[in-house]
Amino acid sequence: DAGITQSPRYKITETGRQVTLMCHQTWSHSYMFWYRQDLGHGLRLIYYSAAADITDKGEVPDGYVVSRSKTENFPLTLESATRSQTSVYFCASSATTAEQFFGPGTRLTVL
Amino acid sequence: AQSVTQLGSHVSVSEGALVLLRCNYSSSVPPYLFWYVQYPNQGLQLLLKYTTGATLVKGINGFEAEFKKSETSFHLTKPSAHMSDAAEYFCAVIRGGGSTLGRLYFGRGTQLTVWP
Repeated sequence: DAGITQSPRYKITETGRQVTLMCHQTWSHSYMFWYRQDLGHGLRLIYYSAAADITDKGEVPDGYVVSRSKTENFPLTLESATRSQTSVYFCASSATTAEQFFGPGTRLTVL
Repeated sequence: AQSVTQLGSHVSVSEGALVLLRCNYSSSVPPYLFWYVQYPNQGLQLLLKYTTGATLVKGINGFEAEFKKSETSFHLTKPSAHMSDAAEYFCAVIRGGGSTLGRLYFGRGTQLTVWP
């Protein structure tokens, strides 16, 4: 089905482990984004990408790494997970500088 | 500085009553404004957006919002609440409209409860 998907939907890991969250969109949108959602904070931008091989930091990039070798994929890696990275992560994509379409989210728990 | 302020983290209304969710933004240039809705365990869905043109915008599910530049507000309304409207609502802004890279700044959200 066309759209934006995220995997896994749920993940439990331990402190210090590397974790990669996947995001895939079928619209060939140029822009892609990663947000984290925490109670009381709304959504905060972690990283974004304007096109393949172009990425930039958002509000809360520390502890995260992204890559975008293909237009349709935008993986987010936690190189050494910490408990403060327990959150719900949303990927989004956009064809323009306006409306963004969101994936279903990944709920990550770091023990 | 906070780009988007949503007044009230929780709003409760009776079914059939008016829904009013408040949003104020800060932007030195004309912004793009959005309202998103999030149902439990789901992603965000766009309700409506303002980019240019008519300041009263209509969205899905009977919601509408009015861009008031003088008040820097973009409040969300619905004349008659339905039980299915219970969800969390997020106001968001792209500062500078189309001149930026589409970086959305979100408010902290308002949880809407609808009582029977």
